[in-house]
Amino acid sequence: GAVVSQHPSRVICKSGTSVKIECRSLDFQATTMFWYRQFPKQSLMLMATSNEGSKATYEQGVEKDKFLINHASLTLSTLTVTSAHPEDSSFYICSASQPTDTQYFGPGTRLTVL
Amino acid sequence: GESVGLHLPTLSVQEGDNSIINCAYSNSASDYFIWYKQESGKGPQFIIDIRSNMDKRQGQRVTVLLNKTVKHLSLQIAATQPGDSAVYFCAETIPPQNFVFGPGTRLSVLP
Repeated sequence: GAVVSQHPSRVICKSGTSVKIECRSLDFQATTMFWYRQFPKQSLMLMATSNEGSKATYEQGVEKDKFLINHASLTLSTLTVTSAHPEDSSFYICSASQPTDTQYFGPGTRLTVL
Repeated sequence: GESVGLHLPTLSVQEGDNSIINCAYSNSASDYFIWYKQESGKGPQFIIDIRSNMDKRQGQRVTVLLNKTVKHLSLQIAATQPGDSAVYFCAETIPPQNFVFGPGTRLSVLP
């Protein structure tokens, strides 16, 4: 149980384009989903917390107009990186939280912006 | 919630030995703790958790110890195997819903 999927696992895009990453909880309903970014050899950096049916809460320094988050259902959240630039290249990871507070993580999405 | 972006400390252990990975957490109000394992290119994987009303919890080959007096958490891995090589993160939950990751420790298992 507690499986979280992400799609796509890898994406390469041109600078200036937008990329959408999906996060799904496959076998449980997640009232809260989280989006993280991870740089090589570093810990995860929380970008935003998303509750189903409401606006996401962004961490300080994260541009909400650049990283659009939608949490339309209890099993799906999406992160759209708008007008991507090379500095947005990173490993993006989502997690979904059960009522017991445990966060279960997706496998991550490697974004490369050329 | 917040997380810390730091370069990872490394622990090297011989295959078959026991590993102990330590974590100092930040907030005395934290009431729930989790250890995650992250292999290269993958998302963190849940290993074991413990609530603040306990001081020890055992799983398969893993044990988590919690010392609330000094705000210290440890993960013990018995008979470490090559497949245990990964980065290990502790995480604390500060009520009501702040989730804080530790900086992580890279475990290298030597043959």
